[in-house]
Amino acid sequence: KAGVTQTPRYLIKTRGQQVTLSCSPISGHRSVSWYQQTPGQGLQFLFEYFSETQRNKGNFPGRFSGRQFSNSRSEMNVSTLELGDSALYLCASSPPFLAGQETQYFGPGTRLLVL
Amino acid sequence: DQQVKQNSPSLSVQEGRISILNCDYTNSMFDYFLWYKKYPAEGPTFLISISSIKDKNEDGRFTVFLNKSAKHLSLHIVPSQPGDSAVYFCAASASNYQLIWGAGTKLIIKP
Repeated sequence: KAGVTQTPRYLIKTRGQQVTLSCSPISGHRSVSWYQQTPGQGLQFLFEYFSETQRNKGNFPGRFSGRQFSNSRSEMNVSTLELGDSALYLCASSPPFLAGQETQYFGPGTRLLVL
Repeated sequence: DQQVKQNSPSLSVQEGRISILNCDYTNSMFDYFLWYKKYPAEGPTFLISISSIKDKNEDGRFTVFLNKSAKHLSLHIVPSQPGDSAVYFCAASASNYQLIWGAGTKLIIKP
């Protein structure tokens, strides 16, 4: 079974631009979560989508948005990029789970550098 | 406020010895805990989990211990191997399913 895939793997943008990242979950997984990882900050939760609906949202500004398609693929968009948005963006998908026992499977991430 | 804390940014252990990684949490509603391992330029991979109804879960060289009264969990790796050098994240969830992550501990296994 193919793992979670993310495209592109690396991206360089300049301040003020916008960017769209893509994530394809493992087949059969309907939940997709997005995280931002910066050095020393661990994984900061952005949002989670389930069946095309945003189910949870972290504490990020409105410049960060996402969506999920009917095939469970997800995209996240960052508008008006700032230098501080430089990070590794990780996508994770989850299989149907027992209540309260979620295990997430991560993609390799998209490394975004904002200049 | 950090609900899941990994207070040691890094840990260095001799190959063959025991590695103990610690994680503290503040939310008493957390009932499921996971450990992930992350190599550079890769996404985290699931390592081991434990439900709050247990106090220990073992998988090969990896054992996770949960002390609910102290709101503390730990990951033991015995014996430590060079391939265990990575960043280890603990994460916790309550009934709303959203995982809350610690900042990670970088484990370095010395030959």
